[in-house]
Amino acid sequence: QITLKESGPTLVKPTQTLTLTCTFSGFSVSTPGVGVGWIRQPPGKALEWLALIYWDDDKRYSPSLKSRLTITKDTSKNQVVLTMTNMDSVDTATYYCAHTIVGATGAFDYWGQGTLVTVSS
Amino acid sequence: EIVLTQSPGTLSLSPGERATLSCRASQSVPSSYLAWYQQKPGQAPRLLIYGASSRATGIPDRFSGSGSGTDFTLTISRLEPEDFAVYYCQQYAGSPRTFGQGTKVEIK
Repeated sequence: QITLKESGPTLVKPTQTLTLTCTFSGFSVSTPGVGVGWIRQPPGKALEWLALIYWDDDKRYSPSLKSRLTITKDTSKNQVVLTMTNMDSVDTATYYCAHTIVGATGAFDYWGQGTLVTVSS
Repeated sequence: EIVLTQSPGTLSLSPGERATLSCRASQSVPSSYLAWYQQKPGQAPRLLIYGASSRATGIPDRFSGSGSGTDFTLTISRLEPEDFAVYYCQQYAGSPRTFGQGTKVEIK
């Protein structure tokens, strides 16, 4: 049974760096084909894909946010961490992590419950 | 970057009716790497369809996906009360893995 859960601050100040952790169970991010991604959703708006890390440490980023994002994995802890620098009010959103596997569905087949991050002074 | 445009923005239908949702890509989506998700208020998205036409595990057969290239469709054959939600398409052929802006299916 695959589960994912996001954790991190609920409130950050403008210009601060956000660090979010996705802790998962039921799979290993070192298994060939496995990836974990981050997606966000501002209140009342659409989903926005942010970043994805694969089992082989291949990393992909949204071009519009690439300069501000870093995604890493800790296989021993079953965690994937996303950092986003220079936070602004427009970054207020629910942030989700999700599982994917190349060669199976290929899409995000398991999602965390999401965590709401508010950017405000 | 592949841009996905969903239409209509809102679909007002009654339970039992057929829903047809469209997703158009700005360029061809290779190997039909196109997925559909359902999202209800306060919940995470749920994968419905992958590979343009394959149902994910546990998804009822009233949901079907079709299309290739740049034009894709999600069809709900007979709407159940629990189907009223927002639906997103996503392409995962490359990076970035873009989403459409969503179609809301509401009760008429």
